[in-house]
Amino acid sequence: EAAVTQSPRNKVTVTGGNVTLSCRQTNSHNYMYWYRQDTGHGLRLIHYSYGAGNLQIGDVPDGYKATRTTQEDFFLLLELASPSQTSLYFCASSDPRWGGRAEQFFGPGTRLTVL
Amino acid sequence: SQLAEENSWALSVHEGESVTVNCSYKTSITALQWYRQKSGKGPAQLILIRSNEREKRNGRLRATLDTSSQSSSLSITATRCEDTAVYFCAGMGYKLTFGTGTSLLVDP
Repeated sequence: EAAVTQSPRNKVTVTGGNVTLSCRQTNSHNYMYWYRQDTGHGLRLIHYSYGAGNLQIGDVPDGYKATRTTQEDFFLLLELASPSQTSLYFCASSDPRWGGRAEQFFGPGTRLTVL
Repeated sequence: SQLAEENSWALSVHEGESVTVNCSYKTSITALQWYRQKSGKGPAQLILIRSNEREKRNGRLRATLDTSSQSSSLSITATRCEDTAVYFCAGMGYKLTFGTGTSLLVDP
């Protein structure tokens, strides 16, 4: 079974702060995703990647950058954090045999609070 | 915009009862997935049902898909307290799009 880990699990920062959320998956999945989860909106896709060095824009990318350094590691960057980015962030990965629409395996989430 | 959305915000049942969560979607899909998210955890897939399937079972879970009405349901029989979670449907079009979720509370 896919293993997806995220760090930190909780993060508090101030408006204008610089935050990096980390995600690692250990099942050789090519596809990785970053979502935010907010009450009333469900899971919304921020950025995703097909493999190391590849980045694709999701549905709510404004204010976020991402970088995929290796097949295992995917980072989400908030360079000027704002209170509207207070949310629960999930990373996920999926099996390349089924493209980007297969079952996604999720990490435990990072709760980010921007004061 | 939401490709898929559940039809109820929250449901509550007593342990042992059956419950059904409904989902509707607005665009063409190749398949639909149901996920469960327990408190403090990430979502985990329960069932994937393809567009050429009408029903799929997984233990106490049964998913249906009606492409003509663009709707799906997830039924849980003999509910247990540990079924308490948020249930999402996710439509598989050119990408996976999640609904907003239905919160299910199973009381002992």
